[in-house]
Amino acid sequence: QAVLTQPASLSASPGASASLTCTLRSDINVGTYNIYWYQQKPGSPPQYLLRYKSDSDKQQASGVPSRFSGSNDISANAGILFISGLQSEDEADYYCMIWLNSAWVFGGGTKLTVL
Amino acid sequence: EVQLVESGGGSVQPGGSLRLSCAASGFTFNNYWMSWVRQAPGKGLEWVAEIKQDGSTLYYVDSVKGRFTISRDNAENSLFLEMNSLRDDDTAVYYCARDSWPDGFDIWGQGTMVTVSA
Repeated sequence: QAVLTQPASLSASPGASASLTCTLRSDINVGTYNIYWYQQKPGSPPQYLLRYKSDSDKQQASGVPSRFSGSNDISANAGILFISGLQSEDEADYYCMIWLNSAWVFGGGTKLTVL
Repeated sequence: EVQLVESGGGSVQPGGSLRLSCAASGFTFNNYWMSWVRQAPGKGLEWVAEIKQDGSTLYYVDSVKGRFTISRDNAENSLFLEMNSLRDDDTAVYYCARDSWPDGFDIWGQGTMVTVSA
């Protein structure tokens, strides 16, 4: 079982909202870890979006719109990147990441299509 | 301007070696952990290695342990990745990234391409 599992793709309409999930392996408790989110557009390096551990322990990267937010779904053992008011420029690959056992681990990424 | 610029990529045969460099500017380099992250063509991100501010602590992904060595020169504001015994599956764009723990990798370079092929 992969450490972090992300759906390969997600589609949503402009103006709508999207929830991108990052499911942690069953032996790793989502509430224990900082989950980091990155956006990557074709031909560009990743861009850091935010860090989320709890509502009282989170950080938005400088310049990242408040339309992007993080949360946890404890019942699903998953971190969530929520994007509201989708814009065409949000079309990109999104990756989650955690620090586990002295290593950084990325999820496989979700390709978000806005159409 | 805060910036990271990688160099040293290229084509190499399996079993060969390469040394990647990353030049940092616009911030106090020795205040930060630094990482290398790679991305194979059409694939996702894979973290490779990380080094502490003073170089005293190093971490590696299992697949490169014993083959790759991360290092830094704080006097020259530079990060390095020495890659030996290269394999086909090391083919990727290699990015250096600033680790702003507990926050994320907030600054990335544009990447340098490494191609391992006979």
